[in-house]
Amino acid sequence: GEDVEQSLFLSVREGDSSVINCTYTDSSSTYLYWYKQEPGAGLQLLTYIFSNMDMKQDQRLTVLLNKKDKHLSLRIADTQTGDSAIYFCAEGVSGTYKYIFGTGTRLKVLA
Amino acid sequence: SQTIHQWPATLVQPVGSPLSLECTVEGTSNPNLYWYRQAAGRGLQLLFYSVGIGQISSEVPQNLSASRPQDRQFILSSKKLLLSDSGFYLCAWSTLGEDTEAFFGQGTRLTVV
Repeated sequence: GEDVEQSLFLSVREGDSSVINCTYTDSSSTYLYWYKQEPGAGLQLLTYIFSNMDMKQDQRLTVLLNKKDKHLSLRIADTQTGDSAIYFCAEGVSGTYKYIFGTGTRLKVLA
Repeated sequence: SQTIHQWPATLVQPVGSPLSLECTVEGTSNPNLYWYRQAAGRGLQLLFYSVGIGQISSEVPQNLSASRPQDRQFILSSKKLLLSDSGFYLCAWSTLGEDTEAFFGQGTRLTVV
């Protein structure tokens, strides 16, 4: 079945890099996504990666995709206190219009 | 530009009472529409999605139902709420076509007491 897994918590110091990991199950997913959720709010798209790419960089964000292992990661360089939030990875299930989300990783940035 | 509206933002309802959450999208036509529930420590669970008026797909058996009476309106309902229905409900939309992102509303915090 469809399942996306993430670790629940991550704590880093301000200025360090954060790496949030995700594993997914649908090997035919075309796009994989990273969303950010501020407290009490909806989700906002941070970035996405097409499945034929290994890496995508967007300012402080770097997405790495290992399609063989079905592993996705999000690296945030120079993490700031404003980056504290819950981060969700998601896959678009091929052949459907569904998006399956992970459990979310709560990132806490320590000053 | 496209916008998504979801209301109410918070809701406290007694067990056994009915529920109606509404979501509307503006600035696009024939969107795919979704209802997700976020429970503590359980991530986002897809409840329903719809690819057109009157077309509803249910992902998990539950005490809830969804309806799409108009192209850009998606309603989440229950006849009798259970304590386990408490959670944060998120509506989302995407354009027709599989390889596009989903856009989310601000969510409704439902507490069943």
